[in-house]
Amino acid sequence: DGGITQSPKYLFRKEGQNVTLSCEQNLNHDAMYWYRQDPGQGLRLIYYSQIVNDFQKGDIAEGYSVSREKKESFPLTVTSAQKNPTAFYLCASSDGRAWQPQHFGDGTRLSIL
Amino acid sequence: AQTVTQSQPEMSVQEAETVTLSCTYDTSESNYYLFWYKQPPSRQMILVIRQEAYKQQNATENRFSVNFQKAAKSFSLKISDSQLGDTAMYFCASVIIQGAQKLVFGQGTRLTINP
Repeated sequence: DGGITQSPKYLFRKEGQNVTLSCEQNLNHDAMYWYRQDPGQGLRLIYYSQIVNDFQKGDIAEGYSVSREKKESFPLTVTSAQKNPTAFYLCASSDGRAWQPQHFGDGTRLSIL
Repeated sequence: AQTVTQSQPEMSVQEAETVTLSCTYDTSESNYYLFWYKQPPSRQMILVIRQEAYKQQNATENRFSVNFQKAAKSFSLKISDSQLGDTAMYFCASVIIQGAQKLVFGQGTRLTINP
């Protein structure tokens, strides 16, 4: 079955450490997205990529970095510059057309040790 | 800039009842799409229903329907004959067709269906 796979499901970060969240899709989608979800809040866009080797900052990109070297992969790195990284992170993909819904992974919960 | 507002943080109804979740949005664009997503306790986001702004007819998907009032910029979700499996967070979202086509989400409404 086609879908989006996020790993790991749970991740712990130490002070000063960078961590990378994986997102892989086999839906042949051009566009991929990273969202952050905090309790009581909706999803906020961190980064998005509409095509391979290109990506743009979303609304809360500070302290995060991404790469898009392959169509099916869009890893997110949470750097030490992100001072409040504890959150639920969701990856999504779409065929890039506005009317098509985004397909979401199961998420990664990141916590600070 | 787009904004989406859900004014009901939590709602609770009995099984088989009908419930309506509210959503308002603000955009200066004329071409856009609106979505309702469901996030059950498993945390996976699932599309419930979508509406094209240029269509006056309200979208319907089985027990789920919307009341789209374009002039009022309102997009409410009605769930008929509610079931225990409808218990979830519900998010309203909008996307404009021009430019970056970013999906903007509301804060969510936590819906509980009681047996």
